Amino acid sequence: IVLTQSPGTLSLSPGERATLSCRASQSVYSSYLAWYQQKPSQAPRLLIYGASSRATDIPDRFSGSGSGTDFTLTISRLEPEDFAVYYCQYYDSSPAWTFGQGTKVEIK
Amino acid sequence: EVQVVESGGGLIQPGGSLRLSCAASGFSVNSKYIGWVRQAPGKGLEWVSIIYSGGSTDYADSVKGRFSISRDKSQNTVYLQMNSLSAEDTAVYYCAGTDWDRYWYFDVWGRGTLVTVSS
Repeated sequence: IVLTQSPGTLSLSPGERATLSCRASQSVYSSYLAWYQQKPSQAPRLLIYGASSRATDIPDRFSGSGSGTDFTLTISRLEPEDFAVYYCQYYDSSPAWTFGQGTKVEIK
Repeated sequence: EVQVVESGGGLIQPGGSLRLSCAASGFSVNSKYIGWVRQAPGKGLEWVSIIYSGGSTDYADSVKGRFSISRDKSQNTVYLQMNSLSAEDTAVYYCAGTDWDRYWYFDVWGRGTLVTVSS
């Protein structure tokens, strides 16, 4: 399974809404779809699991949705600390934990 | 607090070997699935290997036959033995953990250790 994220870079201002897309090469189980945030020189941080469930201590401005082949991460109002790279990830039973190539959310 | 800390990275010549360590605290390495995920400079994330709580292991095709994952309960540490290294293995290597009932994502991550393969 290949995950394709778009856009590659999203240029937005604080307070704006961010919509990130993750498309799978074939229909996948939503339960196995996760999103991570990575800031420069830091480890990834789990944001969303099961396509739509927020991980512990993740603010409610982050939300995930989607099913089948199309998934979306939405940040309702960007805070300064949200500018980072975001990855979607899927587990399949090969086994493999596959990541998308990432979307960078940068300050406009 | 549940935490993992990687060590053992460094500069190694092509064809060489290196062993990375992932020291766990706040939990037993026997109780979680512990994996390695790498990130080449300026690139995305790539899963490398995992050791399950029962002790079995899995590897990405890109490292199968060259890398070996193991653990030492007494040291509460997971290791990644890397052999026949090439420039394509240059990356930050992250240790990541998950539980048996949610193994499809990683919720514990270390800060990573850099491996540079170069002559």
